[in-house]
Amino acid sequence: EAGVAQSPRYKIIEKRQSVAFWCNPISGHATLYWYQQILGQGPKLLIQFQNNGVVDDSQLPKDRFSAERLKGVDSTLKIQPAKLEDSAVYLCASRPPGQSPYEQYFGPGTRLTVT
Amino acid sequence: GQNIDQPTEMTATEGAIVQINCTYQTSGFNGLFWYQQHAGEAPTFLSYNVLDGLEEKGRFSSFLSRSKGYSYLLLKELQMKDSASYLCAVLDSGYALNFGKGTSLLVTP
Repeated sequence: EAGVAQSPRYKIIEKRQSVAFWCNPISGHATLYWYQQILGQGPKLLIQFQNNGVVDDSQLPKDRFSAERLKGVDSTLKIQPAKLEDSAVYLCASRPPGQSPYEQYFGPGTRLTVT
Repeated sequence: GQNIDQPTEMTATEGAIVQINCTYQTSGFNGLFWYQQHAGEAPTFLSYNVLDGLEEKGRFSSFLSRSKGYSYLLLKELQMKDSASYLCAVLDSGYALNFGKGTSLLVTP
């Protein structure tokens, strides 16, 4: 079974530029998550999708971050404009529907450096 | 709000046993996870507890006490490859994972 795919793996941009990340979850996984992991910390949930609907985006900085999952499969996360404090690894995870223990499967992440 | 605490760093010797503690205060509880994360890699699932007690899986065991808001991960027969960050995460009432900051474990020869 193919895992969660993310691209790009690495991205370096200057502050105030825009950037987009892509995630393709495991086939059949209805729930998709985007996390931000700053160096030395645990992942922080940014947004949770159930199919193509948003379940939780309470921690998404909506003035600069946006995410979509138009067809309920792959998803994009965008930052516009980027700030220095956005430097982090952005992790995408997916979960199969209604299956305990509700284990999430993580992709390799995109490491963003804002200079 | 969510508050999940675990030690920042631990060091143990190869072949020994180490216990990593986690305490939590969260809005709602649907289970507690432990993930392992090697440097530069994605977290990988280790264990899940939703009822009180001990869950054993090979060299790794995880314990949960819901009344105390407490869990631990026990690693036996430590190997050098066990050097990694160990993340405690609580599944809240909305089925979102809330992670602690992670415990960096260094296994020495």
